[in-house]
Amino acid sequence: DTGVSQNPRHKITKRGQNVTFRCDPISEHNRLYWYRQTLGQGPEFLTYFQNEAQLEKSRLLSDRFSAERPKGSFSTLEIQRTEQGDSAMYLCASSKVASLGGDEQFFGPGTRLTVL
Amino acid sequence: SQQGEEDPQALSIQEGENATMNCSYKTSINNLQWYRQNSGRGLVHLILIRSNEREKHSGRLRVTLDTSKKSSSLLITASRAADTASYFCAILGAQKLVFGQGTRLTINP
Repeated sequence: DTGVSQNPRHKITKRGQNVTFRCDPISEHNRLYWYRQTLGQGPEFLTYFQNEAQLEKSRLLSDRFSAERPKGSFSTLEIQRTEQGDSAMYLCASSKVASLGGDEQFFGPGTRLTVL
Repeated sequence: SQQGEEDPQALSIQEGENATMNCSYKTSINNLQWYRQNSGRGLVHLILIRSNEREKHSGRLRVTLDTSKKSSSLLITASRAADTASYFCAILGAQKLVFGQGTRLTINP
């Protein structure tokens, strides 16, 4: 399968614990995005990378959240001291920069986080 | 906000009928994209339409874009049970997608 993959698919944790999610983008894609989606809502942008550089972070990304893409390939999203409000689906997407008009983003299956 | 807003929020039709979903937005765009999401799963990219395009087709899908009205529509023809899903429009702004709340489409057999 050459699509975007995410691990784990499901994560249940207790409040206050740290969690880390991984995203492997499509291999030739140089952009990688993280989104968060709560029940009944559309995804909300969190952050994105071009190669290994983190170019933008949403105000939704509090200081408990950190994302990395150390070698410009896979990315990790860590949430420290989880809160019940962090319960959501965390989606990763990747894209290849296009010359005009923007680019298509391809999404992974998501990691569903439940904070008890 | 340039968030896309879908209308209706929910749509239920009989198999074989056509389904139309609309999306409105507030600011100028580079492109507009439509995605499908089956319950509890990731998003599947359906169609991207650029700001200089007015209509685009892909199989049973037809997307229109009216930049003067800041609106887009997604038409699914000859619907099937497998089309049951949530459909989102997304506006590309400054490299990130801004999604609406989606239209929940149910196809009844």
